[in-house]
Amino acid sequence: GAVVSQHPSRVICKSGTSVKIECRSLDFQATTMFWYRQFPKQSLMLMATSNEGSKATYEQGVEKDKFLINHASLTLSTLTVTSAHPEDSSFYICSARDRRGHPSYNEQFFGPGTRLTVL
Amino acid sequence: AQTVTQSQPEMSVQEAETVTLSCTYDTSESDYYLFWYKQPPSRQMILVIRQEAYKQQNATENRFSVNFQKAAKSFSLKISDSQLGDAAMYFCAYRSARNSGGSNYKLTFGKGTLLTVNP
Repeated sequence: GAVVSQHPSRVICKSGTSVKIECRSLDFQATTMFWYRQFPKQSLMLMATSNEGSKATYEQGVEKDKFLINHASLTLSTLTVTSAHPEDSSFYICSARDRRGHPSYNEQFFGPGTRLTVL
Repeated sequence: AQTVTQSQPEMSVQEAETVTLSCTYDTSESDYYLFWYKQPPSRQMILVIRQEAYKQQNATENRFSVNFQKAAKSFSLKISDSQLGDAAMYFCAYRSARNSGGSNYKLTFGKGTLLTVNP
């Protein structure tokens, strides 16, 4: 159990276009999902926390108008990179936390990631 | 704010030998969780082991064990009988047990240690 999927796994787009990445919890409901960005050989950097039915909370330095997050249901959160540029090329990872039980104890389950390349 | 420090960017170990990865953290909280995650070349984040700060007993999971020193704020990972499949990036992570400041129980990661296993 506790599977999180991401789609697409890999995307290449032209500069100036927008790209949407989906994160789904397949066998559990997730009140909270997290979006991370990871550059090569570096750690995961939290971009934002997504709560179902409410606005996302962005980390300091992350442009909310550039990285649009929507958490419309308990199993789906989307990250849209608007007007993408080459510097947005990175590996994007989502994670989801099961809504059952206490949030302080529950694990975050990670998706397999999406590699974005902006030409 | 909490910080997690992994002072070993890279480590190597011979197959079947034991290796210890270091992690220190800084926090003013008394109740929290600590984790070790493994990220193999596939980039999928995998939870290796977790430790509740209120537990004095060190967590163990088969060949993986931790040395948790709360007063010293140290949380090292020992891998026994290393296998080729253990080769990966290992991340130490911290999570508060309280939703202080609207943190949503987010994870704070160290920069990672790249483990190479030599046959």
